Amino acid sequence: NAGVTQTPKFQVLKTGQSMTLQCAQDMNHEYMSWYRQDPGMGLRLIHYSVGAGITDQGEVPNGYNVSRSTTEDFPLRLLSAAPSQTSVYFCASSSGVSEAFFGQGTRLTVV
Amino acid sequence: KQEVTQIPAALSVPEGENLVLNCSFTDSAIYNLQWFRQDPGKGLTSLLLIQSSQREQTSGRLNASLDKSSGRSTLYIAASQPGDSATYLCAVVLYNFNKFYFGSGTKLNVKP
Repeated sequence: NAGVTQTPKFQVLKTGQSMTLQCAQDMNHEYMSWYRQDPGMGLRLIHYSVGAGITDQGEVPNGYNVSRSTTEDFPLRLLSAAPSQTSVYFCASSSGVSEAFFGQGTRLTVV
Repeated sequence: KQEVTQIPAALSVPEGENLVLNCSFTDSAIYNLQWFRQDPGKGLTSLLLIQSSQREQTSGRLNASLDKSSGRSTLYIAASQPGDSATYLCAVVLYNFNKFYFGSGTKLNVKP
């Protein structure tokens, strides 16, 4: 019972580098989303998807891209990393009417 | 914009106490509300989900209530244990787009 799997767990990037945070779920959930968690700010929504091929922006989308080619996968791309993107990133999935499930997080440091 | 506030920000209690964590939200047109637990360096674990039509949900020593009209939810923990020490987060969802709005959490420490 994998649930929501995020990779990598830790990552250090140099300013300007790009990378993709992976998220996969095996529960056939329609809804998937990405959040970042910063001290004193709580969790903030970056992007979300209501199904394969459909994505939309959340509260803090700048500097991030997403795509949803399959129901299972929802990768988050950092186009040109900046120190302000140092954070812990969480991926979540839900069927909409049921509880949401979160991954274990990716701790990203941009130097 | 939905604002979610949790009070208190931190709480330290001796083992065995019953306690209440508070969550308030500004937009009462919510789809559901969910309480989560987060251990240091870990992800979020769902504790209780309350649909907008419900008033409360119970799971073991946990009871969560929802009052949509006043924009409030409470999480009641009975007979607290050191293993309950964690940060508790509440989140509301507007409509059915699964966009969660989180509070900043209550950090709970239960002392043996």
